[in-house]
Formats: sequence, structure tokens, C-alpha cells
Amino acid sequence: QVQLVESGGGLVKPGGSLRLSCAASGFTFSDYYMSWIRQAPGKGLEWVSYISSSGSTIYYADSVKGRFTISRDNAKNSLYLQMNSLRAEDTAVYYCARVVSSGYYLLDYWGQGTLVTVSS
Amino acid sequence: SYVLTQPPSVSVAPGQTARITCGGNNIGSKSVHWYQQKPGQAPVLVVYDDSDRPSGIPERFSGSNSGNTATLTISRVEAGDEADYYCQVWDSSSDHQIVFGGGTKLTVL
Repeated sequence: QVQLVESGGGLVKPGGSLRLSCAASGFTFSDYYMSWIRQAPGKGLEWVSYISSSGSTIYYADSVKGRFTISRDNAKNSLYLQMNSLRAEDTAVYYCARVVSSGYYLLDYWGQGTLVTVSS
Repeated sequence: SYVLTQPPSVSVAPGQTARITCGGNNIGSKSVHWYQQKPGQAPVLVVYDDSDRPSGIPERFSGSNSGNTATLTISRVEAGDEADYYCQVWDSSSDHQIVFGGGTKLTVL
């Protein structure tokens, strides 16, 4: 069965950096686009970024462009999110999700999320 | 950028029908997907491509999309349907962004 397990969250000071990981299993990772989505405490879902199956195509939300970098290692079945210049408003649960990209883009499987807290 | 608008809350009695709307400019020309999120859990896809259901999702969940409004309909509502619901589209015209609505809290009275 499809499993996505995020890790790497924690407490970081404003201006600091953090790298999230998402370990995928139960499907052919290299066949799928992948995405990061976040949810601030008590708020709605916010898309962060997605990456194509080969890693050659990447898009970011305006709120993280220039600060966050998405990447993947298909040999390790892993997705990453490097987060730099973190701000208090980046505090959220970060989910990784598998993307079905055939004509439309939907998120058919999600991990349980990892909490990132940006605070001094 | 493309904006999706959902009502913050919808309330319905058990056994009745709940309708949750998602408004967007000419949303009928896009494929709309719906997610259910219960407290402390990850979102779950309940309807995709306007009206299709993933395997394992009850037939009580259905969707429609036309003009400027997409609708998620939950028939014969049960207490276990109480959750937050989010609509989502892919905006190919605006930097290829995935866009979520603000979410609707469904309360079962």
C-alpha cells in the first residue's frame, strides 16, 4: 500500500533553515510528481511546491519562492524540502503528497505531516 | 492568481443532504477535486475530476461543476462525516499553481 512518511520537522529560530524529508513506499516513486502542502495551526491547506517525476519541472507558491527548494532522489524513493530564511508565518504542519498529473493535478495520497515551528 | 471561495461552515442534521460550494471564475472549465480532513488527520481525497470517487469512498459523496460554482454533495449525512472539506484545482494559466479553497467546516447537528 502507498505510504508517505515525513520527517525533519522541529523548532527553528527566525532566519534559520530546516530540511524536510518524505520517504515513499508502495508505488513506483519515479513515475509520479510529488508535492508539499502546509497547514498553519487552525488554518486551511496551502500548496507549497511540486516537482515532476524526473525533477526537471518545479513550481513554487509565491509565499516560498526564493526561500524553499524542493528536490527528489528517485534512487532513494525520497522527496525533500529545503527551507531557508524561515519566518514565523512558515509555522505549519508540512505534508507531502503524491500527485496525479494526467491533465489535472490531484493529490491522491498524503503523509501524516511533520510540524515546523519557527519561533525565537 | 486564481481564487477559490468556500463558505466557512455548513450545518446539517443526520440523514439530510449537505451541499458545500466552491466558487471560482469560470471554475466549470477546470477539474475540481475535494478533500475531507478530520481533526488531527491528513486530508483524504473524496471526489476528483468534478464528480468521480476514489475506491473506498461511499456513493453518498458526489460532485458537480458548472459555470462559476462547483459543489460537493453528501447524501444521508452521518456523524462521521463531520470534518473540514477543501476544494482544489490546478491553475495552468497562472504559474501552474495548485490552488485550495479556504475550507468548509461541516457540522452534523
